Amino acid sequence: KAGVTQTPRYLIKTRGQQVTLSCSPISGHRSVSWYQQTPGQGLQFLFEYFSETQRNKGNFPGRFSGRQFSNSRSEMNVSTLELGDSALYLCASSSSFPPGTEAFFGQGTRLTVV
Amino acid sequence: AQSVTQLGSHVSVSEGALVLLRCNYSSSVPPYLFWYVQYPNQGLQLLLKYTSAATLVKGINGFEAEFKKSETSFHLTKPSAHMSDAAEYFCAVRRSGGSNYKLTFGKGTLLTVNP
Repeated sequence: KAGVTQTPRYLIKTRGQQVTLSCSPISGHRSVSWYQQTPGQGLQFLFEYFSETQRNKGNFPGRFSGRQFSNSRSEMNVSTLELGDSALYLCASSSSFPPGTEAFFGQGTRLTVV
Repeated sequence: AQSVTQLGSHVSVSEGALVLLRCNYSSSVPPYLFWYVQYPNQGLQLLLKYTSAATLVKGINGFEAEFKKSETSFHLTKPSAHMSDAAEYFCAVRRSGGSNYKLTFGKGTLLTVNP
């Protein structure tokens, strides 16, 4: 069974641009959540989707948005990029919502804003 | 609100020595607790989880953790460290009730294993 797939693995963007990151969950999983990981702030929750609906949202500005498609794949978008958005973005999938108990993580997308 | 405190941002042990990584949590409702491991440039891999069943939880790679409600702790241990255990370890808490099921992570503990 394939794991959580995140694309691309690495991304370099210029300040002010926008970026879209993609996440394909484990087959059969319907819940997808996103986390931002930085050296200073650690792992922070961005948002969670289940059946194409956003169920929870973290404390991030409106520049951060996401969506989930009918096949459970998810995308997150960051507009008007700032240097501080440089981070590892991790996607996790779970089999149900409320998440049973386990979240399986992808390898992440390393975003660098210059 | 829920929170996790990992005592010690960096722990160094010798190969073959006991590994003890500390985690204390705060949660207003009974929690689910997790330990994840992260290798460089990788995502998070689940080591073990506590979901209100047995308080002593065994995970992968010889790790185990004990849930102690009275101490609000969920420390991770391994009897004998291996070089391959060198990584960063994260403790996380999730509510078992309510409406917000996000994982709240500790700041992480970097484990170094010396030969």
